[in-house]
Amino acid sequence: DTAVSQTPKYLVTQMGNDKSIKCEQNLGHDTMYWYKQDSKKFLKIMFSYNNKELIINETVPNRFSPKSPDKAHLNLHINSLELGDSAVYFCASSQTAEAFFGQGTRLTVV
Amino acid sequence: AQSVTQLGSHVSVSEGALVLLRCNYSSSVPPYLFWYVQYPNQGLQLLLKYTTGATLVKGINGFEAEFKKSETSFHLTKPSAHMSDAAEYFCAVTLGGGTASKLTFGTGTRLQVTL
Repeated sequence: DTAVSQTPKYLVTQMGNDKSIKCEQNLGHDTMYWYKQDSKKFLKIMFSYNNKELIINETVPNRFSPKSPDKAHLNLHINSLELGDSAVYFCASSQTAEAFFGQGTRLTVV
Repeated sequence: AQSVTQLGSHVSVSEGALVLLRCNYSSSVPPYLFWYVQYPNQGLQLLLKYTTGATLVKGINGFEAEFKKSETSFHLTKPSAHMSDAAEYFCAVTLGGGTASKLTFGTGTRLQVTL
């Protein structure tokens, strides 16, 4: 069983579209995250949820809206996609300091 | 606030040679430190972590790292490189395991292993 799973793995879409990425963890962790990895491989946190409550929101444009229906799921919805949103988005979960990452979603905006 | 600096964006070693990837951190409180590895088109896999206790930590695949508070360093080593070690390596710091903890990553070091 995959501990942290994301769908889709690849996403190609046109500018201006709205898209969602889904994430599920079966580790029983209370905290989930979204990280963004840019074209230079730099990783930066976007959001953190603890037991469905938003804990961290790192100055991300409000076109990005996370939603956590329960503590095992954290989805990311992106409105009005821009070229600069092209990146790999990683979901992660943790119970203590150690985070477990999903395989990533490579988003390409054309 | 915390930050991580990884010296050398690209390191090349011969198979069988020592691997040394450098990481220095800045933290206002005692940090938790991690090394993650990313293989091409894969997610991040935890290699090892330092939270408290023994400053020399051993991880998977023969890697180890030593926490040196006086040098604010957490360098990653492996005595003998293998071709399968070729990947991107990230050092990361967090200020503890609380609900508001977040990982701050270094810029990564690409390890190349040659024959």
